[in-house]
Amino acid sequence: GESVGLHLPTLSVQEGDNSIINCAYSNSASDYFIWYKQESGKGPQFIIDIRSNMDKRQGQRVTVLLNKTVKHLSLQIAATQPGDSAVYFCAENSGGADGLTFGKGTHLIIQP
Amino acid sequence: DTEVTQTPKHLVMGMTNKKSLKCEQHMGHRAMYWYKQKAKKPPELMFVYSYEKLSINESVPSRFSPECPNSSLLNLHLHALQPEDSALYLCASSQDRGDTEAFFGQGTRLTVV
Repeated sequence: GESVGLHLPTLSVQEGDNSIINCAYSNSASDYFIWYKQESGKGPQFIIDIRSNMDKRQGQRVTVLLNKTVKHLSLQIAATQPGDSAVYFCAENSGGADGLTFGKGTHLIIQP
Repeated sequence: DTEVTQTPKHLVMGMTNKKSLKCEQHMGHRAMYWYKQKAKKPPELMFVYSYEKLSINESVPSRFSPECPNSSLLNLHLHALQPEDSALYLCASSQDRGDTEAFFGQGTRLTVV
């Protein structure tokens, strides 16, 4: 089965609200966990990563949280904008040997 | 230039055809990848090239044949495909193999008829 996955296929939020996208993983050996954003008609775009020995990392309007106890990863997007509408994938990187393994994806819809 | 360029954007081919997908990057990246993405599914890794050598082949059928002519180019040769091979084929590159930040092209939408 897949080693990373997501709880919700679609998430709808009001513009300006914060959104939280969740992901569960099973491979405890992964070195990094990553979030990618894929807009319609485009390839995935890197958002932020977190090393497995960290529990929080912040970027511009985004925060990634890693809970290794329950093998849970989340992406928080502050003050969502229309341009945030996309499918969000969590992914893992198992220490440099392979490419990325992607989870199932959550479609984030921003309501005006 | 942070672009990965893929051509063609769309391709329709018959099951007896031979075609090639092309990918190009000029960021000096040493790792290049092919992914396959079916509708409403995540990308799945097919091949990894590192320093122009094939390092990973994720048990992909031989009707898909990758080629890395130089450090900037990556091809995917297609022959005798099946309708279930219809998908979005994504090329990506990263500075080195295993980097978390990969740059993806827009993909080639392939339809096999």
